[in-house]
Amino acid sequence: DQQVKQNSPSLSVQEGRISILNCDYTNSMFDYFLWYKKYPAEGPTFLISISSIKDKNEDGRFTVFLNKSAKHLSLHIVPSQPGDSAVYFCAASAEITGANNLFFGTGTRLTVIP
Amino acid sequence: DAGITQSPRHKVTETGTPVTLRCHQTENHRYMYWYRQDPGHGLRLIHYSYGVKDTDKGEVSDGYSVSRSKTEDFLLTLESATSSQTSVYFCATSREGSPLHFGNGTRLTVT
Repeated sequence: DQQVKQNSPSLSVQEGRISILNCDYTNSMFDYFLWYKKYPAEGPTFLISISSIKDKNEDGRFTVFLNKSAKHLSLHIVPSQPGDSAVYFCAASAEITGANNLFFGTGTRLTVIP
Repeated sequence: DAGITQSPRHKVTETGTPVTLRCHQTENHRYMYWYRQDPGHGLRLIHYSYGVKDTDKGEVSDGYSVSRSKTEDFLLTLESATSSQTSVYFCATSREGSPLHFGNGTRLTVT
């Protein structure tokens, strides 16, 4: 059973506008959340993370929001750029020490239209 | 970039044959992982290692074994490949409590 869910397989956004990617999780033991970006024929690359003690983390154009009561997190990209077109994976972990065994969502393909 | 090299990058094999995928890292990271990526499932953990000769199972470990004889190398073996093991396999590494860094994957096709 999928413990991390990304219900939107794809999203298209105009260049310069905001992209919002959503993720839901079911395991209340998860306390560390990450977003990865993946280009074709490459491995996923780490983008941004947030621990459960925070509700927001910002890094440049990327902001992740965490709503623990709703078991929901989102990634905002502002402004969106064509180079942001990729598959974005949400991931979660029940510990941030030691082996960081991540559970991944199924991914959302973002297309930024020039 | 954690300096992760996966080999081979592509492989086609027949059902019932053994297959070994290799992961080599140059960053001296303690932890190494094998994931598989399939449509509709995202990435799922097969096995991971927390040190030389120390390994443990992930959520989809059936039909797979691993070995880590050196810090830098982590091998994934399919003892008898099946069509359900057709997938893209990713190796990852990490330091203590840090995000995973992934290699570029191995595309395996079992016919």
